Amino acid sequence: AQSVTQLGSHVSVSEGALVLLRCNYSSSVPPYLFWYVQYPNQGLQLLLKYTSAATLVKGINGFEAEFKKSETSFHLTKPSAHMSDAAEYFCAAEGTGTASKLTFGTGTRLQVTL
Amino acid sequence: EAGVAQSPRYKIIEKRQSVAFWCNPISGHATLYWYQQILGQGPKLLIQFQNNGVVDDSQLPKDRFSAERLKGVDSTLKIQPAKLEDSAVYLCASSPGHRVGTGELFFGEGSRLTVL
Repeated sequence: AQSVTQLGSHVSVSEGALVLLRCNYSSSVPPYLFWYVQYPNQGLQLLLKYTSAATLVKGINGFEAEFKKSETSFHLTKPSAHMSDAAEYFCAAEGTGTASKLTFGTGTRLQVTL
Repeated sequence: EAGVAQSPRYKIIEKRQSVAFWCNPISGHATLYWYQQILGQGPKLLIQFQNNGVVDDSQLPKDRFSAERLKGVDSTLKIQPAKLEDSAVYLCASSPGHRVGTGELFFGEGSRLTVL
């Protein structure tokens, strides 16, 4: 079964600073990988996804993530944080089998300070 | 395009009482999911429907939880009797199909349950 590990339940950055949210997956076969964002009192929204095409994936709101098979990682980055980026971010993985399902990490809460 | 609708947004009940949550997915979406999100954890899949059939309910506590999707459109999730550990946000999501690797689920705003 897939498992997803997000390092750091809380990350705080200054406005304009680099955002780096870490995600590692456990699978011998690279799964499909996703980042979702959840703003307060809202449902989850897809930021970006990796489905074995380009290893660098660009998403909405200036976010991108790079798939690194050797490190089993899919870290999320944004060059310059904005106050509106404050939210909870979830990494998720879906296996490539027909019976696979989406498995979420425990989430990282991003705080952006002035 | 209307999003995934859920109700109620908030519910407070005593333990051993029952509660039901309703979800109306995006029109035309064949697949519907119910997730449980406990505070500090990621969403956990409870049940997945493809049209009105169950695809995966392996993590649904069937002694107290039940869900149905009559006519392959809207769905109801019921908890009876509720326990303290059921306090969570119940998220409904839908997607157009069941193709592996899409991962693009459209989520509702969730129903927050507090069990006292």
